[in-house]
Order: sequence, then structure tokens, then C-alpha cells
Amino acid sequence: AQSVAQPEDQVNVAEGNPLTVKCTYSVSGNPYLFWYVQYPNRGLQFLLKYITGDNLVKGSYGFEAEFNKSQTSFHLKKPSALVSDSALYFCAVRDISTGKLIFGQGTTLQVKP
Amino acid sequence: EAQVTQNPRYLITVTGKKLTVTCSQNMNHEYMSWYRQDPGLGLRQIYYSMNVEVTDKGDVPEGYKVSRKEKRNFPLILESPSPNQTSLYFCASSFGTGGVGDTQYFGPGTRLTVL
Repeated sequence: AQSVAQPEDQVNVAEGNPLTVKCTYSVSGNPYLFWYVQYPNRGLQFLLKYITGDNLVKGSYGFEAEFNKSQTSFHLKKPSALVSDSALYFCAVRDISTGKLIFGQGTTLQVKP
Repeated sequence: EAQVTQNPRYLITVTGKKLTVTCSQNMNHEYMSWYRQDPGLGLRQIYYSMNVEVTDKGDVPEGYKVSRKEKRNFPLILESPSPNQTSLYFCASSFGTGGVGDTQYFGPGTRLTVL
């Protein structure tokens, strides 16, 4: 069965520092991976995805993610965090038979001034 | 503006009173889906539709119904809501029939409380 794990419930970082939100996956076959962000009282917004090709994927709002096949990871990164990046982040893997996204449990990112 | 809309955004109801949450997209997407979000569980798929008149169960379909009579609309129906259906619900759509590269776009969410 396919699954995604986000090992940290919360990540705290100071503004201006680099941030990493971790995600590991378990799939049979090729992984198709996504990151979404949810701001308070808002829907999910797409950040980036990995389908194939370059292991470093660049997305919206200065975020990027590194796909690592040997470690089965897809960590979200940003070189310099902003207070406005504070939100709930979800990693997901696509189930190709049904099209559904299988989500991790989410990681709350708190960026402090 | 390309978007997925849901109504209502907030709903408080009582056990057993039938309700419908509407979902509409204006992007001519073929694939539509409903998820529910619960703390610590992430989002779980309830139902999905790959095209008009084609619907299928997701991971947690019990207590829910859907229909897809038009391409743009995908309502979620709770015939007899129960307190364990208190949750945050999201509708999503994507261009293709759930192809691997398709990005799913999400609505703003409907917060449902069943008393």
C-alpha cells in the first residue's frame, strides 16, 4: 500500500533562517509526489510536484523540494523563511489507479520574527 | 478566475437531517474528488469521479453519496449525518482523469458540525 509520512508535527524556525519540512514515502512503482500548503481558514494551495526528471523541484513562493530515491524522501525546503510562510504543509503521493492523493498527516510550520 | 467553489463554507446541523454540500469548478476539469480532513489524519478521499456519470468510492465512503450529472458540478450528499461526520471537507478537481502529472486544485473547504 502506498503511504506518506511527515515525521514532525511542528517545525519552528526563525525568520531568515533556512527551513526544511520532511516527507518520506512508500510506493510500489514510480512515485508522483506533491506538496500543498494550507493557510488558516483557507483551502489547500499547490506548491510543487515531482513526476520525473531533475531531483530538485522548484515551486511557488520560493519553495523547492529535493527528491531522493534511495532515502525515499521528498523534503520541502526554503533558503530563507518568512513569517508569512507559517502554515500547515502537506506532502502527498498520487495513486495512479484512482487518481487520488494520499496525504501525510501534515506539518505545522511556525516562523518567528 | 479559475477556481473550485464550495457551498456552504460553514454548516452546523443535527443528526439525521439530510444535507448537500455543493462543489463547482469552472476549469472544464474531468476529474473531481471529495476529501475530508481530520486532525492528525491528513486528508482522506471520500469519493471521486473521472467523468460525467462515472463515480467511485474512495477510502472513506460510508455515509456519503455523490453524483456527477454535469462536468462542472460534484455535490456531496449526507443522507443521514452523524456526529462522526463532523469534519472539514474539500472538493478538488484536475484536468485529466487523475493522470500522474495532473495537479489537483482544491476548493476553500466546508466546515461541517453534526450535533
